[in-house]
Amino acid sequence: DTAVSQTPKYLVTQMGNDKSIKCEQNLGHDTMYWYKQDSKKFLKIMFSYNNKELIINETVPNRFSPKSPDKAHLNLHINSLELGDSAVYFCASSHWAAGMVYNEQFFGPGTRLTVL
Amino acid sequence: ELKVEQNPLFLSMQEEKNYTIYCNYSTTSDRLYWYRQDPGKSLESLFVLLSNGAVKQEGRLMASLDTKARLSTLHITAAVHDLSATYFCAVEEDGGGADGLTFGKGTHLIIQP
Repeated sequence: DTAVSQTPKYLVTQMGNDKSIKCEQNLGHDTMYWYKQDSKKFLKIMFSYNNKELIINETVPNRFSPKSPDKAHLNLHINSLELGDSAVYFCASSHWAAGMVYNEQFFGPGTRLTVL
Repeated sequence: ELKVEQNPLFLSMQEEKNYTIYCNYSTTSDRLYWYRQDPGKSLESLFVLLSNGAVKQEGRLMASLDTKARLSTLHITAAVHDLSATYFCAVEEDGGGADGLTFGKGTHLIIQP
Protein backbone atom coordinates (compact mmCIF):
# COMPACT_ATOMS: atom_id res chain seq x y z
CA ASP A 1 0.00 0.00 0.00
CA THR A 2 1.25 3.47 -0.87
CA ALA A 3 1.82 5.52 2.28
CA VAL A 4 1.65 9.00 0.76
CA SER A 5 0.12 9.31 -2.68
CA GLN A 6 -0.29 12.26 -5.03
CA THR A 7 -2.29 12.82 -8.20
CA PRO A 8 -1.56 13.61 -10.88
CA LYS A 9 2.06 12.58 -11.35
CA TYR A 10 2.47 14.96 -14.29
CA LEU A 11 0.55 18.14 -15.01
CA VAL A 12 1.09 20.27 -18.10
CA THR A 13 -0.98 23.41 -18.42
CA GLN A 14 -1.08 26.90 -19.87
CA MET A 15 -0.30 30.13 -18.07
CA GLY A 16 -3.29 31.65 -16.38
CA ASN A 17 -5.06 28.36 -15.73
CA ASP A 18 -6.17 27.09 -12.33
CA LYS A 19 -5.14 23.60 -11.25
CA SER A 20 -5.20 21.33 -8.21
CA ILE A 21 -2.92 18.60 -6.94
CA LYS A 22 -4.27 16.01 -4.54
CA CYS A 23 -2.47 14.28 -1.70
CA GLU A 24 -3.57 11.44 0.54
CA GLN A 25 -1.78 9.59 3.33
CA ASN A 26 -2.80 6.33 4.95
CA LEU A 27 -0.26 6.45 7.79
CA GLY A 28 -2.63 7.91 10.34
CA HIS A 29 -0.48 11.04 10.57
CA ASP A 30 -1.91 14.31 11.77
CA THR A 31 0.39 16.75 10.00
CA MET A 32 0.80 17.17 6.26
CA TYR A 33 3.05 19.41 4.19
CA TRP A 34 3.63 20.75 0.72
CA TYR A 35 7.15 21.31 -0.57
CA LYS A 36 8.31 22.79 -3.86
CA GLN A 37 11.42 21.45 -5.59
CA ASP A 38 12.74 23.78 -8.27
CA SER A 39 14.80 22.99 -11.35
CA LYS A 40 17.99 23.06 -9.28
CA LYS A 41 16.48 20.47 -6.92
CA PHE A 42 16.20 22.95 -4.07
CA LEU A 43 13.40 21.92 -1.69
CA LYS A 44 11.42 24.53 0.18
CA ILE A 45 8.49 24.18 2.55
CA MET A 46 5.30 25.85 1.36
CA PHE A 47 2.64 24.88 3.89
CA SER A 48 1.98 22.56 6.75
CA TYR A 49 -1.35 21.50 8.22
CA ASN A 50 -1.74 20.06 11.70
CA ASN A 51 -5.12 18.76 12.68
CA LYS A 52 -6.67 20.66 9.79
CA GLU A 53 -5.20 23.98 10.85
CA LEU A 54 -2.59 25.87 8.88
CA ILE A 55 0.55 26.04 10.96
CA ILE A 56 2.92 27.90 8.70
CA ASN A 57 2.66 29.69 5.44
CA GLU A 58 6.03 30.73 4.08
CA THR A 59 6.44 33.52 1.57
CA VAL A 60 4.20 31.76 -0.91
CA PRO A 61 1.99 33.77 -3.26
CA ASN A 62 -1.65 33.75 -2.28
CA ARG A 63 -2.39 32.13 -5.64
CA PHE A 64 -1.48 28.94 -3.80
CA SER A 65 -4.05 27.67 -1.35
CA PRO A 66 -3.92 24.41 0.60
CA LYS A 67 -7.19 22.71 1.38
CA SER A 68 -7.57 19.87 3.85
CA PRO A 69 -10.98 18.15 3.92
CA ASP A 70 -9.74 15.77 6.62
CA LYS A 71 -6.54 14.65 8.34
CA ALA A 72 -5.69 12.19 5.57
CA HIS A 73 -5.85 14.69 2.71
CA LEU A 74 -4.10 17.93 1.86
CA ASN A 75 -4.78 19.30 -1.60
CA LEU A 76 -2.97 22.18 -3.25
CA HIS A 77 -4.92 24.57 -5.44
CA ILE A 78 -3.09 27.02 -7.66
CA ASN A 79 -4.78 29.97 -9.36
CA SER A 80 -3.54 31.91 -12.37
CA LEU A 81 -0.53 29.72 -13.01
CA GLU A 82 2.73 31.41 -13.98
CA LEU A 83 5.82 30.12 -15.76
CA GLY A 84 7.78 30.28 -12.50
CA ASP A 85 5.40 27.82 -10.88
CA SER A 86 6.92 25.02 -12.96
CA ALA A 87 8.50 22.66 -10.46
CA VAL A 88 8.00 19.34 -8.72
CA TYR A 89 5.61 19.55 -5.80
CA PHE A 90 5.95 17.03 -2.99
CA CYS A 91 3.42 16.25 -0.34
CA ALA A 92 4.67 14.84 2.96
CA SER A 93 3.18 13.73 6.25
CA SER A 94 4.32 13.13 9.80
CA HIS A 95 2.99 12.45 13.23
CA TRP A 96 3.61 15.46 15.42
CA ALA A 97 2.39 16.42 18.84
CA ALA A 98 3.69 18.77 21.51
CA GLY A 99 6.54 17.09 23.32
CA MET A 100 7.34 14.72 20.45
CA VAL A 101 11.02 13.99 20.17
CA TYR A 102 11.17 14.24 16.43
CA ASN A 103 9.17 14.84 13.32
CA GLU A 104 10.25 12.38 10.62
CA GLN A 105 8.44 13.19 7.42
CA PHE A 106 7.41 10.75 4.70
CA PHE A 107 7.17 12.03 1.17
CA GLY A 108 4.83 11.33 -1.70
CA PRO A 109 6.05 10.56 -5.23
CA GLY A 110 5.82 14.16 -6.40
CA THR A 111 3.83 15.99 -9.08
CA ARG A 112 5.80 17.52 -11.92
CA LEU A 113 4.02 20.73 -12.95
CA THR A 114 4.94 22.33 -16.25
CA VAL A 115 3.44 25.69 -17.12
CA LEU A 116 3.67 26.66 -20.79
CA GLU B 1 16.18 32.37 9.38
CA LEU B 2 17.57 28.86 9.51
CA LYS B 3 20.16 28.16 6.82
CA VAL B 4 21.42 24.70 5.91
CA GLU B 5 24.52 24.32 3.79
CA GLN B 6 25.76 21.13 2.24
CA ASN B 7 29.05 20.49 0.58
CA PRO B 8 30.06 19.40 -1.83
CA LEU B 9 27.05 19.96 -4.06
CA PHE B 10 28.43 17.61 -6.66
CA LEU B 11 30.67 14.62 -6.12
CA SER B 12 31.97 12.14 -8.64
CA MET B 13 33.88 9.27 -7.14
CA GLN B 14 35.09 5.81 -7.99
CA GLU B 15 33.80 2.60 -6.55
CA GLU B 16 35.54 1.31 -3.45
CA LYS B 17 36.59 4.82 -2.38
CA ASN B 18 35.50 6.58 0.81
CA TYR B 19 34.09 10.06 1.06
CA THR B 20 32.17 12.41 3.36
CA ILE B 21 29.34 14.83 2.74
CA TYR B 22 29.07 17.75 5.16
CA CYS B 23 25.96 19.54 6.40
CA ASN B 24 26.23 22.77 8.40
CA TYR B 25 23.28 24.62 9.85
CA SER B 26 22.91 28.07 11.34
CA THR B 27 20.74 27.74 14.43
CA THR B 28 20.31 25.47 17.41
CA SER B 29 18.79 22.14 16.62
CA ASP B 30 19.25 18.59 17.78
CA ARG B 31 17.11 16.99 15.10
CA LEU B 32 18.66 16.36 11.74
CA TYR B 33 17.52 14.11 8.92
CA TRP B 34 19.21 12.63 5.88
CA TYR B 35 17.23 11.78 2.77
CA ARG B 36 18.10 10.11 -0.52
CA GLN B 37 16.52 11.03 -3.85
CA ASP B 38 16.95 9.02 -7.03
CA PRO B 39 16.37 10.81 -10.36
CA GLY B 40 12.68 11.46 -10.92
CA LYS B 41 11.77 9.83 -7.63
CA SER B 42 10.61 10.83 -4.18
CA LEU B 43 12.67 11.36 -1.05
CA GLU B 44 13.57 8.31 1.00
CA SER B 45 14.38 8.74 4.67
CA LEU B 46 17.85 7.41 5.52
CA PHE B 47 18.73 8.58 9.01
CA VAL B 48 17.17 10.46 11.89
CA LEU B 49 19.74 12.00 14.25
CA LEU B 50 18.30 13.26 17.52
CA SER B 51 21.09 14.23 19.85
CA ASN B 52 24.64 15.46 20.08
CA GLY B 53 27.03 12.68 19.25
CA ALA B 54 24.39 10.55 17.56
CA VAL B 55 25.81 8.10 15.05
CA LYS B 56 23.80 5.80 12.83
CA GLN B 57 24.94 3.29 10.23
CA GLU B 58 23.17 1.45 7.46
CA GLY B 59 25.29 -0.61 5.13
CA ARG B 60 27.99 1.58 3.60
CA LEU B 61 26.48 4.81 4.93
CA MET B 62 27.14 6.32 8.33
CA ALA B 63 25.70 9.58 9.62
CA SER B 64 26.74 11.59 12.66
CA LEU B 65 25.64 14.75 14.41
CA ASP B 66 27.61 17.34 16.36
CA THR B 67 25.09 19.85 17.68
CA LYS B 68 27.74 22.06 19.23
CA ALA B 69 29.47 22.52 15.89
CA ARG B 70 26.06 22.50 14.13
CA LEU B 71 27.47 19.91 11.78
CA SER B 72 26.34 16.57 10.46
CA THR B 73 28.32 14.26 8.22
CA LEU B 74 27.31 11.44 5.91
CA HIS B 75 30.21 9.09 5.34
CA ILE B 76 30.32 6.65 2.46
CA THR B 77 32.56 3.64 2.83
CA ALA B 78 33.75 1.61 -0.16
CA ALA B 79 31.23 3.21 -2.48
CA VAL B 80 29.25 1.14 -4.95
CA HIS B 81 27.36 2.29 -8.03
CA ASP B 82 23.95 1.72 -6.37
CA LEU B 83 24.66 4.59 -4.00
CA SER B 84 24.57 7.09 -6.86
CA ALA B 85 21.77 9.57 -5.98
CA THR B 86 21.20 13.02 -4.53
CA TYR B 87 21.53 13.20 -0.76
CA PHE B 88 19.81 15.90 1.27
CA CYS B 89 20.22 16.87 4.86
CA ALA B 90 17.31 18.60 6.56
CA VAL B 91 17.07 20.34 9.89
CA GLU B 92 14.14 20.77 12.21
CA GLU B 93 14.49 23.99 14.15
CA ASP B 94 14.24 23.88 17.94
CA GLY B 95 10.69 24.64 18.89
CA GLY B 96 9.68 24.22 15.28
CA GLY B 97 6.91 21.88 16.18
CA ALA B 98 4.89 21.05 13.13
CA ASP B 99 6.89 23.45 10.97
CA GLY B 100 8.44 21.92 7.92
CA LEU B 101 12.04 20.88 7.52
CA THR B 102 14.69 23.20 6.12
CA PHE B 103 16.69 21.37 3.49
CA GLY B 104 20.22 21.77 2.21
CA LYS B 105 20.69 22.12 -1.53
CA GLY B 106 21.58 18.45 -1.89
CA THR B 107 24.73 16.60 -2.90
CA HIS B 108 24.56 14.97 -6.31
CA LEU B 109 26.69 11.85 -5.96
CA ILE B 110 27.87 9.85 -8.96
CA ILE B 111 29.82 6.67 -8.35
CA GLN B 112 31.68 5.36 -11.34
CA PRO B 113 33.05 1.86 -11.85
